[in-house]
Amino acid sequence: GESVGLHLPTLSVQEGDNSIINCAYSNSASDYFIWYKQESGKGPQFIIDIRSNMDKRQGQRVTVLLNKTVKHLSLQIAATQPGDSAVYFCAENTVAAGNKLTFGGGTRVLVKP
Amino acid sequence: NAGVTQTPKFRVLKTGQSMTLLCAQDMNHEYMYWYRQDPGMGLRLIHYSVGEGTTAKGEVPDGYNVSRLKKQNFLLGLESAAPSQTSVYFCASSPHGRGRAQPQHFGDGTRLSIL
Repeated sequence: GESVGLHLPTLSVQEGDNSIINCAYSNSASDYFIWYKQESGKGPQFIIDIRSNMDKRQGQRVTVLLNKTVKHLSLQIAATQPGDSAVYFCAENTVAAGNKLTFGGGTRVLVKP
Repeated sequence: NAGVTQTPKFRVLKTGQSMTLLCAQDMNHEYMYWYRQDPGMGLRLIHYSVGEGTTAKGEVPDGYNVSRLKKQNFLLGLESAAPSQTSVYFCASSPHGRGRAQPQHFGDGTRLSIL
């Protein structure tokens, strides 16, 4: 079936540096692509989403880039902080089908002081 | 503001036992979802509901049943637990999309072990 996957399982980054988390997807019919953050022992928390007809969207310290040509999604975190240490998931959303999400496998980000 | 509340937080069952996981949301959301998360993996959708009295199958529905008798509650049942159902279960809710994606709000999970 259709799936969303990630290139890197673990990313170590120095505090203050920028982080880039990558994701490959396979379903071209998805309406939105979404990034979630999951801290240990907690449920996923929404970070940012991007509509399929856009190629870039910025939030507070985060930027999501969408390249539909190669079916690639990335999340950039500026000035990474210790509180950014978590597992990050990309997901794709199909609005018409009950707002369902299909999740990728996750990337763990470790911020070194 | 509680958001999405899951009970219980932890549970250990023996093979063949049954149990019900409860999810409650206080945001008046139309949509609710049940996922399972296995170690090192993303979440997989078990069942979902687009409104009170309605349910639908997700990606991995076998071995589970659900009910949405009240808008604010979504119950997940295991009729005869199996070791393969050992997992962390997450409930989520979202408003109706109205043509665009709506963020799903997640509870903190129920950790279920089947011996």
